[in-house]
Amino acid sequence: DQQVKQNSPSLSVQEGRISILNCDYTNSMFDYFLWYKKYPAEGPTFLISISSIKDKNEDGRFTVFLNKSAKHLSLHIVPSQPGDSAVYFCAASAQTGANNLFFGTGTRLTVIP
Amino acid sequence: EAGVVQSPRYKIIEKKQPVAFWCNPISGHNTLYWYRQNLGQGPELLIRYENEEAVDDSQLPKDRFSAERLKGVDSTLKIQPAELGDSAVYLCASSLSPDEQYFGPGTRLTVT
Repeated sequence: DQQVKQNSPSLSVQEGRISILNCDYTNSMFDYFLWYKKYPAEGPTFLISISSIKDKNEDGRFTVFLNKSAKHLSLHIVPSQPGDSAVYFCAASAQTGANNLFFGTGTRLTVIP
Repeated sequence: EAGVVQSPRYKIIEKKQPVAFWCNPISGHNTLYWYRQNLGQGPELLIRYENEEAVDDSQLPKDRFSAERLKGVDSTLKIQPAELGDSAVYLCASSLSPDEQYFGPGTRLTVT
């Protein structure tokens, strides 16, 4: 029973354009959401997070949007760079903070130079 | 600052053999996690420690998996005996606060 879903296994974007990665969740108790980025042969690294009291959080080229009513969040990367090519995991927690994380299956982003 | 260290990075064993993974968390991080990541999936939590206490092991298959975190620092995860379905990447993570978890590079286990 996948509580966090990333329905697009892969995404290709031209360098300089916007990358939009999507994530849906089913558990209405989730109130803290994170995005992790993973390069091959490395562990996931934290990218950006958002609490359910907000609908947007921005950090440089990365912005996460949260739509609680739709149980949907998205990660926008603009402009996309070749170094952004990686697998991106969405994760959610049912408490403020991130002790017990539920991960999606990941989206492989390829930024084409 | 050194990150989360895991060893070995790769392990190939035959089914029914035992295997152990080791994790050294970031210094000062009192929360430690073990995750399993199957191919094409996201990480799934196996066990979480607060210092030396296992506070959530509900997803740990206790018939063959065991873990310990003596002295609340390093941790080992053991599988005995291993089965074909245990082939996966085993990730260790640590955190100082509930906000961010820092992951190690993982141990890729192949059971033949």
